[in-house]
Amino acid sequence: KNQVEQSPQSLIILEGKNCTLQCNYTVSPFSNLRWYKQDTGRGPVSLTIMTFSENTKSNGRYTATLDADTKQSSLHITASQLSDSASYICVVSDRGSTLGRLYFGRGTQLTVWP
Amino acid sequence: EADIYQTPRYLVIGTGKKITLECSQTMGHDKMYWYQQDPGMELHLIHYSYGVNSTEKGDLSSESTVSRIRTEHFPLTLESARPSHTSQYLCASRTGGRDTQYFGPGTRLTVL
Repeated sequence: KNQVEQSPQSLIILEGKNCTLQCNYTVSPFSNLRWYKQDTGRGPVSLTIMTFSENTKSNGRYTATLDADTKQSSLHITASQLSDSASYICVVSDRGSTLGRLYFGRGTQLTVWP
Repeated sequence: EADIYQTPRYLVIGTGKKITLECSQTMGHDKMYWYQQDPGMELHLIHYSYGVNSTEKGDLSSESTVSRIRTEHFPLTLESARPSHTSQYLCASRTGGRDTQYFGPGTRLTVL
């Protein structure tokens, strides 16, 4: 069964600190993995996208890694800011359909305190 | 910033009412999607469309219906709302291939 699991479910850190969010997936055949940021009451916004051959991708203070062999990804946030408080969702796409089927994790709720 | 819009952003209605959630995009994307999301839970696909006059049901069974008469417009309708329909509804679109899906801001529906 194609699944995406994220950990931790929630995380609280102080402003300026770093943190790492985890994503494990069983989606096959794998096409790509995206990290989205979803602010409360808003739609998700794409942060990074990685294909099978890419093992790291950065977007400002966000750095995503991908290990396609172990089917794990991480999102590292450097020097956190209050505006980083949001839900971070790992989304994996399969290669087996024209729909480009997406599998969503439940997200990690990050809270950054001043 | 994606050009995909949803209205209303918030809606509180009574049981039995008919409602339509609007979604429009100005990017010319062929594929459009409706997702349902409960707090702390993953997004579930309820409807999708490959293009004009194409609509399909997603993974999560839903009593809602959709239509795609124009490329840019993908409204979702509930004929008779019930409290179990209370949720956040997200619309998304993408162009062909495996490009990123762009999401609208969502409609938070509460049925009393």
